Amino acid sequence: NAGVTQTPKFRVLKTGQSMTLLCAQDMNHEYMYWYRQDPGMGLRLIHYSVGEGTTAKGEVPDGYNVSRLKKQNFLLGLESAAPSQTSVYFCASRGTGDSNQPQHFGDGTRLSIL
Amino acid sequence: AQSVTQPDIHITVSEGASLELRCNYSYGATPYLFWYVQSPGQGLQLLLKYFSGDTLVQGIKGFEAEFKRSQSSFNLRKPSVHWSDAAEYFCAVVGGGATNKLIFGTGTLLAVQP
Repeated sequence: NAGVTQTPKFRVLKTGQSMTLLCAQDMNHEYMYWYRQDPGMGLRLIHYSVGEGTTAKGEVPDGYNVSRLKKQNFLLGLESAAPSQTSVYFCASRGTGDSNQPQHFGDGTRLSIL
Repeated sequence: AQSVTQPDIHITVSEGASLELRCNYSYGATPYLFWYVQSPGQGLQLLLKYFSGDTLVQGIKGFEAEFKRSQSSFNLRKPSVHWSDAAEYFCAVVGGGATNKLIFGTGTLLAVQP
């Protein structure tokens, strides 16, 4: 019963490097989300997707790109990493239907940019 | 715009004591409200949700929350805290629209002392 799986769990990058965070869900959910969590700020939405092949900007999208080529996967990319992107990144998914359906979260990716 | 306020950044309670974590929301219509818990190094786990009906909602791990429309509040309670309840707690509201984005509060960090 995997749910939402994020890889990698930890990563250290140098400023200017690029990387991709992978989120995979096995619940056949339509909606997927990427958040970042910073101390004292809760979770803020970066990008989201309402279905395969669709993506949209959230609250803090600058410096990130996303892709949803397959329904079960949602990729978050950093083209040129900056120290301000040091954070914990969470992926979540939910099914369609009533808005009272909760989002299911992965365990997070802890990213440090030096 | 929708928003969630958790006034208490950090709370310490003694094991066995009662607990109440505060959450206030701003939303024009009937809100869909959630409480999530995050243990250290883990993702977010759903404790409970409210979307309609009975204003007192029961969740997992012995938690409950009461929706009070007149006070725009959705406070989380537990009658007797256990040491394993030490974690960070997040209140969230569905932001509306087709995307069902979650808007999070900044979290309350709960410490439990023996």
